Amino acid sequence: NAGVTQTPKFRVLKTGQSMTLLCAQDMNHEYMYWYRQDPGMGLRLIHYSVGEGTTAKGEVPDGYNVSRLKKQNFLLGLESAAPSQTSVYFCASSYSTSSGGGETQYFGPGTRLLVL
Amino acid sequence: AQSVTQPDIHITVSEGASLELRCNYSYGATPYLFWYVQSPGQGLQLLLKYFSGDTLVQGIKGFEAEFKRSQSSFNLRKPSVHWSDAAEYFCAVGARWGYQKVTFGTGTKLQVIP
Repeated sequence: NAGVTQTPKFRVLKTGQSMTLLCAQDMNHEYMYWYRQDPGMGLRLIHYSVGEGTTAKGEVPDGYNVSRLKKQNFLLGLESAAPSQTSVYFCASSYSTSSGGGETQYFGPGTRLLVL
Repeated sequence: AQSVTQPDIHITVSEGASLELRCNYSYGATPYLFWYVQSPGQGLQLLLKYFSGDTLVQGIKGFEAEFKRSQSSFNLRKPSVHWSDAAEYFCAVGARWGYQKVTFGTGTKLQVIP
């Protein structure tokens, strides 16, 4: 049981290049999330998904796209990377509940992205 | 909109001393409240969470937190800190409806000195 895994662990991009970050979870969670973590700003939600085939925008979605073609995978894409996207990216997943709210989020180890 | 404030960016304590990390939240009703810990180079791990009922919540690694509605606070405490507790701690508030939107604080970095 690996939990939440992220690939790659580290990547350097040049401005304008594209890349995809992969998140995989083996806990059969319905909900998945992408966050970015920047110094002094905590975690900010980029996009999230409440189920296979569904995605929605979070707090800071500009410059990113996501896809959830399979329940266990959540992909984050950068079509044209910018230096402002230099950050640590975390994926998380959680169960859904009928009442909504409150479930623990399980985090991956993160991807460090440097955009030059 | 919900929000979380962690007023202390950095705290240093001696090993064996007690610890209290502050967290204040803003939410229109009784929220879900969480404390997560992040060790260097790692993802976040849940320490404890408050849903309802007893306002004193016990978590892993000897941590506890107390929900005080009148003060909109959810402070994290530990009676005796160990060197392995050095990490960054995040308080978070979650909505009680919808998809589980969780808002994280900016974190408090804990340094433990021998």
